[in-house]
Amino acid sequence: EIVLTQSPGTLSLSPGERATLSCRASQSVSSSYLAWYQQKPGQAPRLLIYGASSRATGIPDRFSGSGSGTDFTLTISRLEPEDFAVYYCQQTWYTFGQGTKLEIK
Amino acid sequence: QVQLQESGPGLVKPSETLSLTCAVSGYSISSGYYWGWIRQPPGKGLEWIGSIYHSGSTYYNPSLKSRVTISVDTSKNQFSLKLSSVTAADTAVYYCAGGRWLYSIDYWGQGTLVTVSS
Repeated sequence: EIVLTQSPGTLSLSPGERATLSCRASQSVSSSYLAWYQQKPGQAPRLLIYGASSRATGIPDRFSGSGSGTDFTLTISRLEPEDFAVYYCQQTWYTFGQGTKLEIK
Repeated sequence: QVQLQESGPGLVKPSETLSLTCAVSGYSISSGYYWGWIRQPPGKGLEWIGSIYHSGSTYYNPSLKSRVTISVDTSKNQFSLKLSSVTAADTAVYYCAGGRWLYSIDYWGQGTLVTVSS
């Protein structure tokens, strides 16, 4: 069973800053099957990135994904107020990371 | 525009069976996506429960497999979840979802809170 570990657990930043979120897999995974989701309080998750680096439809280009093997990164280049949320990585459909909470500093 | 809507009881007694249905609109279930259920206990992370293809092929989380049944009704364009022998640990928001199998979950329902309590 592949385990996804996200870090940090909580990230405190200000609007306009750059956010870097990490997702590490317990063994190598296919980049094709690595996705990122955003979840705001009281809402369902929303697909941001699939295939490790492809933005989903309608996702602003300030969101980018990268990585391969066991280490993957979600980067938000300049934080907007609406970006403060919880972010999850996922490997295939089976496994989610525990989430990173991005909060306003 | 693909939309998913969960329905079912919000309160289930311990040891009974949780039953939810997801109605899909804006897309035919038979057209090619996979469909499934994900849950989220209050204040916690996401857990995949299982998935189904319109042909009826199913995939289940091994930790829940003995208690889960997912079925599809293409004539009604909906799919369903049954989780038996529930306990308080099964209290969660249950999301139905659809997408490209293994690649991404593209569409999500709004979620429905199911509480297990006597």
